[in-house]
Amino acid sequence: GAVVSQHPSWVICKSGTSVKIECRSLDFQATTMFWYRQFPKQSLMLMATSNEGSKATYEQGVEKDKFLINHASLTLSTLTVTSAHPEDSSFYICSASPGLAGGPSSYEQYFGPGTRLTVT
Amino acid sequence: QKEVEQNSGPLSVPEGAIASLNCTYSDRGSQSFFWYRQYSGKSPELIMSIYSNGDKEDGRFTAQLNKASQYVSLLIRDSQPSDSATYLCAVKVGGGGNKLTFGTGTQLKVEL
Repeated sequence: GAVVSQHPSWVICKSGTSVKIECRSLDFQATTMFWYRQFPKQSLMLMATSNEGSKATYEQGVEKDKFLINHASLTLSTLTVTSAHPEDSSFYICSASPGLAGGPSSYEQYFGPGTRLTVT
Repeated sequence: QKEVEQNSGPLSVPEGAIASLNCTYSDRGSQSFFWYRQYSGKSPELIMSIYSNGDKEDGRFTAQLNKASQYVSLLIRDSQPSDSATYLCAVKVGGGGNKLTFGTGTQLKVEL
């Protein structure tokens, strides 16, 4: 159980174009989804938190107009990198949390396999 | 002081030995603690969660939590080369919604 998928697994795009990444929870409903990025040999960096039907909450320093997040249903969240530039090249990873009825286990996060973005 | 701290390693252990990974956290109100394993080039995978003081065992993994001392540890018994990875400690700190705060990870190398 607790499977999260991401699509695409890798993408190459030209500078100035936009890229959309999908994150799906396959066998549970995710009240909250998270988007991270990770540069080589560096730590996970949380970009934003999204709840179904609400606007995403972005971490400090993350441009909300550049990284558009939509959490349209309890099983799907999308991240769109707009006007991508080479410095946006990174490993983007989503995670999903069931958020079952409160309690300490509600904070468990299950990660998707990640999307490797290369902007040329 | 970082909210969640881990020694970056690498921690090298011989095959068959016990690997001990440690994590300290600063928020006394933290209630939920998680260990993730991340292989190079892959995304993190949840391997253990612990919420109460004491030990929690799952196969070769044991998580230990000591809230009074504000540390959580992960023991891996009979370490195998396939355990070589970066282990991330994650804590639900007070406030901040329902996001987790991750440590920077400890790299474990299990040598033949």
